[in-house]
Amino acid sequence: AQRVTQPEKLLSVFKGAPVELKCNYSYSGSPELFWYVQYSRQRLQLLLRHISRESIKGFTADLNKGETSFHLKKPFAQEEDSAMYYCALSHGSGGYQKVTFGIGTKLQVIP
Amino acid sequence: DGGITQSPKYLFRKEGQNVTLSCEQNLNHDAMYWYRQDPGQGLRLIYYSQIVNDFQKGDIAEGYSVSREKKESFPLTVTSAQKNPTAFYLCASSWGGSGANVLTFGAGSRLTVL
Repeated sequence: AQRVTQPEKLLSVFKGAPVELKCNYSYSGSPELFWYVQYSRQRLQLLLRHISRESIKGFTADLNKGETSFHLKKPFAQEEDSAMYYCALSHGSGGYQKVTFGIGTKLQVIP
Repeated sequence: DGGITQSPKYLFRKEGQNVTLSCEQNLNHDAMYWYRQDPGQGLRLIYYSQIVNDFQKGDIAEGYSVSREKKESFPLTVTSAQKNPTAFYLCASSWGGSGANVLTFGAGSRLTVL
């Protein structure tokens, strides 16, 4: 079955320290992976997707098929990065696409 | 403003009552989704629909029902059969299909059963 695992419910880092939010997935096909972010009192929104290979707000994520991972990284954490982060996997067949989410990691950046 | 509108924002229900949550989008998206968000459990898929008049059960469909009579609307009914309905419900939409299936989310509806 398709599954997205985020092992840490809470990650606390000091401002200026590196950040790594872990995400592992299980899927037999070719994965489409995303990171979504939910800031306080805001809607859940897309942060980045693996297909774009882009950097958004200093965050990057590389798909590692060998390790089935899609970890989110940022070299220097900022206070405004404090939020809930969800890793997600889009998958399906026969024209039906589902999106499965992990349980989320709350990132707390300490000033 | 293009986007997804969910209503009501807050809803209280007595046990044994059905309640319907509204979700409307003006993004011309084909696919629509309902998720339930509980602390420590992330987002769990209830139902999804790729096209009008067609929908599929997600991972936790028991006690819920949906309809998709119009492209822009995907209402969710929480029935009395749902054993633990108190939760935060999120509606989302996308262009659908494979290849960067990006979801746009509504602001959510919080249901409390008294």
